[in-house]
Amino acid sequence: EAGVTQFPSHSVIEKGQTVTLRCDPISGHDNLYWYRRVMGKEIKFLLHFVKESKQDESGMPNNRFLAERTGGTYSTLKVQPAELEDSGVYFCASSQGGGGYEQYFGPGTRLTVT
Amino acid sequence: GDSVTQMEGPVTLSEEAFLTINCTYTATGYPSLFWYVQYPGEGLQLLLKATKADDKGSNKGFEATYRKETTSFHLEKGSVQVSDSAVYFCALRSDYKLSFGAGTTVTVRA
Repeated sequence: EAGVTQFPSHSVIEKGQTVTLRCDPISGHDNLYWYRRVMGKEIKFLLHFVKESKQDESGMPNNRFLAERTGGTYSTLKVQPAELEDSGVYFCASSQGGGGYEQYFGPGTRLTVT
Repeated sequence: GDSVTQMEGPVTLSEEAFLTINCTYTATGYPSLFWYVQYPGEGLQLLLKATKADDKGSNKGFEATYRKETTSFHLEKGSVQVSDSAVYFCALRSDYKLSFGAGTTVTVRA
């Protein structure tokens, strides 16, 4: 069974440009999460989907970030326009259920904004 | 809010040395506690977990005990190998949301 996949693995863009990150969860996992690690610091929660619905987007830093999960399958995270402080590693995770279910993480997308 | 503080790295050890990475947490209620590991070029993997006080999680020779009285979940391994070189993250979960520490980079030399 395929794990969580993320694309691209690395993206380098200039300040002010737009970038879209993609996450494909494990098949059958209704719960999908985005996290990010900035500047080698702690990994922070961004948001949580259940199927196509956003359950919690309390960690989204500002309105330059837009996450979608059309059809309840893969998810995208768009940053528009990107700023220098958005550089970091963006992780996606999925789980069968919420609460006590294990979250399986993808390899992450390293975003560098220059 | 919930938070996790873990020992800053980097940590460099010789093979067969003893490894300890300290982790303390602040949380309301009774969170579950985790250690995740990220090997070079790979994603985060769950290393071990404990869901209630005094539980001991163990895997691949690593151990950690949920200490409610000291709000700690220190990771230990008695004899590390080169293949244990990785970044280790302590985390807690309240409901579905994971809160992580900053990560500790461990390098094991042959």
